[in-house]
Amino acid sequence: AQSVTQLGSHVSVSEGALVLLRCNYSSSVPPYLFWYVQYPNQGLQLLLKYTSAATLVKGINGFEAEFKKSETSFHLTKPSAHMRDAAEYFCAVSRPARQLTFGSGTQLTVLP
Amino acid sequence: DTEVTQTPKHLVMGMTNKKSLKCEQHMGHRAMYWYKQKAKKPPELMFVYSYEKLSINESVPSRFSPECPNSSLLNLHLHALQPEDSALYLCASSQVGEGSTTGELFFGEGSRLTVL
Repeated sequence: AQSVTQLGSHVSVSEGALVLLRCNYSSSVPPYLFWYVQYPNQGLQLLLKYTSAATLVKGINGFEAEFKKSETSFHLTKPSAHMRDAAEYFCAVSRPARQLTFGSGTQLTVLP
Repeated sequence: DTEVTQTPKHLVMGMTNKKSLKCEQHMGHRAMYWYKQKAKKPPELMFVYSYEKLSINESVPSRFSPECPNSSLLNLHLHALQPEDSALYLCASSQVGEGSTTGELFFGEGSRLTVL
């Protein structure tokens, strides 16, 4: 079985502050891990993915995530938040021949 | 720009109407998906088509009827819906093949459905 847990359904940061969105996974085999972003009334857009290559993954819009097997974590970070980063963020896990499993989501609010 | 196109973007229908949602992708993917998403919730898988054949039906009520006419198109036929079916319906596609895929999904912008 596979699952992800996103800690914190709502996160607020000030513009220019560090963004940290937490994701922990559970998988019986080495997983593939993803972060998706969803802006209001839009579909999901892939931010970045881990597919067993480099453990530090860089994505679009200045985001990055680090795969830590010992902590079963794949937290999403961005050094400096912008107003346009305000959105819903979903962590997801999969493995070969299995469907993607989404976390419950984290709503990011960026304060001016 | 998304490479998965969904139409219409918005749909309002009565409980006795029959309507359809359409999805098209030209990435050569052989798996296509329908998801339902309620506000502030993750997408919920409804159907999966693999090589144009229905491979997963997540116990979806029969008032939702999927169709995959060819490898690029996916439809969702709607009939006798209930107000609680109002949601964002997302189409997605992915590659297929053991050992060669990561499960990465490519999503369309969604169709916002309101049932009156």
